[in-house]
Amino acid sequence: DGGITQSPKYLFRKEGQNVTLSCEQNLNHDAMYWYRQDPGQGLRLIYYSQIVNDFQKGDIAEGYSVSREKKESFPLTVTSAQKNPTAFYLCASSIRYRGESYGYTFGSGTRLTVV
Amino acid sequence: AQSVTQPDIHITVSEGASLELRCNYSYGATPYLFWYVQSPGQGLQLLLKYFSGDTLVQGIKGFEAEFKRSQSSFNLRKPSVHWSDAAEYFCAVGANTGFQKLVFGTGTRLLVSP
Repeated sequence: DGGITQSPKYLFRKEGQNVTLSCEQNLNHDAMYWYRQDPGQGLRLIYYSQIVNDFQKGDIAEGYSVSREKKESFPLTVTSAQKNPTAFYLCASSIRYRGESYGYTFGSGTRLTVV
Repeated sequence: AQSVTQPDIHITVSEGASLELRCNYSYGATPYLFWYVQSPGQGLQLLLKYFSGDTLVQGIKGFEAEFKRSQSSFNLRKPSVHWSDAAEYFCAVGANTGFQKLVFGTGTRLLVSP
């Protein structure tokens, strides 16, 4: 079945470390997104990508970086510059243009904890 | 730019009772509207969506939602709630042209009492 796979499910980071969260999709979707979720704050957009080799900052991009070298993959790196990285991270994908099949498909998330 | 308001942070409903979760949006034209559900520690699952046509849309798990243009609302309903419906529910709005990101509400947590 097609879907989005996020790994790992749980991740622990030491102070000053960079960590990379994986997101892979086999839905043939052009667009991919990264969201951060904190209790009571809903979903906040970190980065998004409409097509391969192109990505844009979302609302809270500081301290994060991404790459989009393949259509299927959109990894997120949480850098040491991100001062409060403990959160639940969600990856999503969608077709690029509007139509009956438009809508986001989400992965199951990665919970990142700073230790 | 579009925006979404979910005025209720928490709602408690007795099992078997009816449910209505409120969603108000701001957008100049007819938007794309979605409801998603999230169980603890999981990703979001699409319940239903509205693009055009019939303003009452049916979704999975017995949910439905009604688009009311005059009230800029897209409220989610279920006639009889089950304990397994306890989760967080997110409303989202998207523009109907070009590439626009979905904008999500802050969510409503549903608690189901015995």
